[in-house]
Amino acid sequence: GIQVEQSPPDLILQEGANSTLRCNFSDSVNNLQWFHQNPWGQLINLFYIPSGTKQNGRLSATTVATERYSLLYISSSQTTDSGVYFCAVEVSTQGGSEKLVFGKGTKLTVNP
Amino acid sequence: GEEVAQTPKHLVRGEGQKAKLYCAPIKGHSYVFWYQQVLKNEFKFLISFQNENVFDETGMPKERFSAKCLPNSPCSLEIQATKLEDSAVYFCASSPGSTGVDTDTQYFGPGTRLTVL
Repeated sequence: GIQVEQSPPDLILQEGANSTLRCNFSDSVNNLQWFHQNPWGQLINLFYIPSGTKQNGRLSATTVATERYSLLYISSSQTTDSGVYFCAVEVSTQGGSEKLVFGKGTKLTVNP
Repeated sequence: GEEVAQTPKHLVRGEGQKAKLYCAPIKGHSYVFWYQQVLKNEFKFLISFQNENVFDETGMPKERFSAKCLPNSPCSLEIQATKLEDSAVYFCASSPGSTGVDTDTQYFGPGTRLTVL
């Protein structure tokens, strides 16, 4: 099956710093989503980005589908950005449905 | 509703007992998905529904797991005779599935944390 690799696995920042998280995938995908899992375990949708670039406030994401990677940029990080960031790719199954295959996440800690 | 709702938030069962989890998808969404998150960072797809029909159950350990999405009722995931390894957070997600922009986006509920003792 498809492999989804995220890097780095852990990242520690000082408040105000910028960061880039990477997601590589091993095969063509239908779509890609970025999530933030906060310290309470809630999964929050950040981006639905099969290709191109999107921005939402301090966060932006770029997916280059032909090269099988996506990047998540966090600018001017805040302590509330702490948590685990997951990349998930949508793949078609034999029956014609789609399911998400998740990477193992990047754990981000932003210190005050 | 506007969010995926899951109940209960926490569930504790002794090994061998039954566990039943519930999910109310976002109103108007046609697809429902169940995922299992173990060890804080590993997600496993379990099953998907298109309305009340099973769409893909390739991830389900069928000997003990079952799931339903009946009309006018919350969807459910049931585990018969729980095992220690079933301890995990179970997430439900729904997606619109109709034509339009971002129709495949999956929106996740808050999860149910199952602890098997």
